[in-house]
Amino acid sequence: KQEVTQIPAALSVPEGENLVLNCSFTDSAIYNLQWFRQDPGKGLTSLLLIQSSQREQTSGRLNASLDKSSGRSTLYIAASQPGDSATYLCAVASGAGSYQLTFGKGTKLSVIP
Amino acid sequence: GAGVSQSPSNKVTEKGKDVELRCDPISGHTALYWYRQSLGQGLEFLIYFQGNSAPDKSGLPSDRFSAERTGGSVSTLTIQRTQQEDSAVYLCASSFLGSGQPQHFGDGTRLSIL
Repeated sequence: KQEVTQIPAALSVPEGENLVLNCSFTDSAIYNLQWFRQDPGKGLTSLLLIQSSQREQTSGRLNASLDKSSGRSTLYIAASQPGDSATYLCAVASGAGSYQLTFGKGTKLSVIP
Repeated sequence: GAGVSQSPSNKVTEKGKDVELRCDPISGHTALYWYRQSLGQGLEFLIYFQGNSAPDKSGLPSDRFSAERTGGSVSTLTIQRTQQEDSAVYLCASSFLGSGQPQHFGDGTRLSIL
C-alpha cells in the first residue's frame, strides 16, 4: 500500500527566504506526482504535476523535482511571500487505478512579513 | 463558473439522517472524483467516475455511502444513516480524461453530524 510522508508538518520562514518542502513515498511505481496548495476553508489548487518520466517541473517561483527511484520529491519556493502561506500537499498516482491519488498530510507554511 | 462547484458548502445534520452532497465538475471534464478530508486521516479517495465506464467505488468506507453521476456531468454523493465519524470535508475534483491529468478541486462540503 502506497504511503506518502511530508516533512516538516509545519514551517515558518521570514519573507524573502527560499525554502524546500519534502515529500517521500514508499512505492516507486508511480504514474505521476502532484503538488497542491490548500488555503483555510478552501479546496486544493494544483500547482505542479510531474509525470513519472520527468525529473522536474517549474512554474514561476515554484520548482518541483522527482527522484522516483529513491521515492522522493521536493517543492522549492523562491523568494517567499506572505501570500504563499498555506498548506502544501503532495499526492502520488499509483496502483491499479492510475488516477487514484494518495496524499501526504501536508506541510503548513507560514511566511512572516 | 469556470471551476468545480460543490453544494452545500456546509451541512449540519443529526445522526441517523441521510445527506446528499452535490458536485458540478468543470465543463468538458470527463473524469470526476470524490475525496474525504478528516482530521488525523488526511485526504482519502472515495470514488472515481470516467465517462460511461463503471465507477471505481473501492474507496467507499461502507455500504451507507453511494454516488451517482447523471448525464456524465453532475454527481451526488449520498450518505445514509449518518454516523458521527462521517463528519469531515467532502471534496470533489474533476479532470480532462483520467490518469496523467491534473485534478481540479472544488471548495468542498463541510459535513457535521451531531
